[in-house]
Amino acid sequence: DTAVSQTPKYLVTQMGNDKSIKCEQNLGHDTMYWYKQDSKKFLKIMFSYNNKELIINETVPNRFSPKSPDKAHLNLHINSLELGDSAVYFCASSRRLAGGQETQYFGPGTRLLVL
Amino acid sequence: AQSVTQLGSHVSVSEGALVLLRCNYSSSVPPYLFWYVQYPNQGLQLLLKYTTGATLVKGINGFEAEFKKSETSFHLTKPSAHMSDAAEYFCAVSEFDNNDMRFGAGTRLTVKP
Repeated sequence: DTAVSQTPKYLVTQMGNDKSIKCEQNLGHDTMYWYKQDSKKFLKIMFSYNNKELIINETVPNRFSPKSPDKAHLNLHINSLELGDSAVYFCASSRRLAGGQETQYFGPGTRLLVL
Repeated sequence: AQSVTQLGSHVSVSEGALVLLRCNYSSSVPPYLFWYVQYPNQGLQLLLKYTTGATLVKGINGFEAEFKKSETSFHLTKPSAHMSDAAEYFCAVSEFDNNDMRFGAGTRLTVKP
């Protein structure tokens, strides 16, 4: 059973288009995240959602917007795609415990290529 | 805010040799520390983690890491490298009271026959 799943696995699109990446977790976690991994493999957190509230938002362009219809899903919508948006995007989830944070579990990644 | 530095973007070892991947962290509160591995064209997989308790942590595939508070380090080791260990390894830190996890830039491990 897949714990954290992302769709699509690969996404090739033209500059200026709008696209969405979906993420679903079946772990019962209450917090979900989006990370961007650049060409140098460096991971940077973009967003996290806890109980439908955005609690972390790094300096990410407002063309990127996370949408969480429920606790099990956190989709990433990107408007007006730019060449620099080409990267691998990872979704993750975790459970917030009274004593701290539980381990984050990662999805397989979505490889976005903007032409 | 917490941060992580991985020393060496590329490490090459011979099969059967010791693997040592270095990670130093910065945190204002007791940290949670993680090592993740990423095989080519795959997602991240948790190798091991340290939260509290024993400072020597054993993970999957024969890897282990030791939390050394005095050195602010969490180096990853494996006594004998296998060809299948070739991958990208990420060290990460989070703090107990928030969900913000910071990753290092990654270290690519190459294993020579």
